[in-house]
Amino acid sequence: SQQGEEDPQALSIQEGENATMNCSYKTSINNLQWYRQNSGRGLVHLILIRSNEREKHSGRLRVTLDTSKKSSSLLITASRAADTASYFCATVKAAGNKLTFGGGTRVLVKP
Amino acid sequence: EPEVTQTPSHQVTQMGQEVILRCVPISNHLYFYWYRQILGQKVEFLVSFYNNEISEKSEIFDDQFSVERPDGSNFTLKIRSTKLEDSAMYFCASSEWSQETQYFGPGTRLLVL
Repeated sequence: SQQGEEDPQALSIQEGENATMNCSYKTSINNLQWYRQNSGRGLVHLILIRSNEREKHSGRLRVTLDTSKKSSSLLITASRAADTASYFCATVKAAGNKLTFGGGTRVLVKP
Repeated sequence: EPEVTQTPSHQVTQMGQEVILRCVPISNHLYFYWYRQILGQKVEFLVSFYNNEISEKSEIFDDQFSVERPDGSNFTLKIRSTKLEDSAMYFCASSEWSQETQYFGPGTRLLVL
């Protein structure tokens, strides 16, 4: 598999439930970033977590990073219909500054 | 809140034609990027640009592609002779520093016929 693979590929939940998605990667990283993309639209930055951090919060978002397992998770608590989107993780390697994206998780939040 | 802007939002062109996609990065940002997303596929890195030169480029970014910062605000991607497979959404992004948050524009949807 490639750098930055999300799991699951798709997720369907009821409004108010929590949504968890995971991201795995292959190489050492400087940081990992999560983005949201509404259908056919631009990428909205959600959160950046650095390789020396284990957990970060932003509003209803919680991101964890486990560099020993080369994995990250994004938790959206108390989901809303407006959270319906695709969520991507993207890594920045230890050297360089390009983002390498995963395939994304499509989240559907049903009202 | 400052944002990255891109023009045009949509572009239709004939195969073999040249296209220029335009971006205005966030004003105090120093690093600029182009990515593309073919329909249904991953977002792919094309090129990064800093201090008026390319700092990194992918295998996709061949001689048909070029980037330029013609003035203090615009950042352009030129495709010299478009191919059908260049049809994609092209995103510009910028960051204040290297290895920091990259802010993306809304994209230009390019369709090559």
